[in-house]
Amino acid sequence: GAGVSQTPSNKVTEKGKYVELRCDPISGHTALYWYRQSLGQGPEFLIYFQGTGAADDSGLPNDRFFAVRPEGSVSTLKIQRTERGDSAVYLCASSSFTGRPGDTQYFGPGTRLTVL
Amino acid sequence: AQSVTQLGSHVSVSEGALVLLRCNYSSSVPPYLFWYVQYPNQGLQLLLKYTTGATLVKGINGFEAEFKKSETSFHLTKPSAHMSDAAEYFCAVRSHYGGATNKLIFGTGTLLAVQP
Repeated sequence: GAGVSQTPSNKVTEKGKYVELRCDPISGHTALYWYRQSLGQGPEFLIYFQGTGAADDSGLPNDRFFAVRPEGSVSTLKIQRTERGDSAVYLCASSSFTGRPGDTQYFGPGTRLTVL
Repeated sequence: AQSVTQLGSHVSVSEGALVLLRCNYSSSVPPYLFWYVQYPNQGLQLLLKYTTGATLVKGINGFEAEFKKSETSFHLTKPSAHMSDAAEYFCAVRSHYGGATNKLIFGTGTLLAVQP
């Protein structure tokens, strides 16, 4: 596709359940980012992949959160034992990687997660 | 540590009036600065960015911003507001020196309303 896509667009789950959120980056982009946006807040960084490896996972709030990118393209954010506080919009972004921090990150529409 | 402060969570202007959205940053190294816009139920779209060089940066939809190091500011302006400018605007900073991460640090956002 032409842009970053995320599925599902909405996810409603019950407290304690496991969820997976998927991100398809722009074709050819080697850098992929996950952010979380809570109501009334700006996006907060979760994890950054360069290729298949997580180059920076310092934003993951705890060990219930995990993300993978096994083939260097699609990424999945996994949340175990969901809590009501996990309710937020999860944003994915991708960029080409030139080694310069000025590379533009292109964002997907997000997945709205609601934990009941 | 880097941070961004956006003054005014809500700004209302009349159609045709000047738009001024304020952003101040904190960074121990020269920053890379970004403005993103978010329309309802959509992902973030890059308006403009400052990396190096000219301090007055022009972006899409008639927006521009000026990097002022002495004031640690990167305010967003547009001479004449359109109804279509109504959206939420986020200022973000990223480390100039790169390293292992290119994560963005966002402000809390400013919701712009345009009155007819």
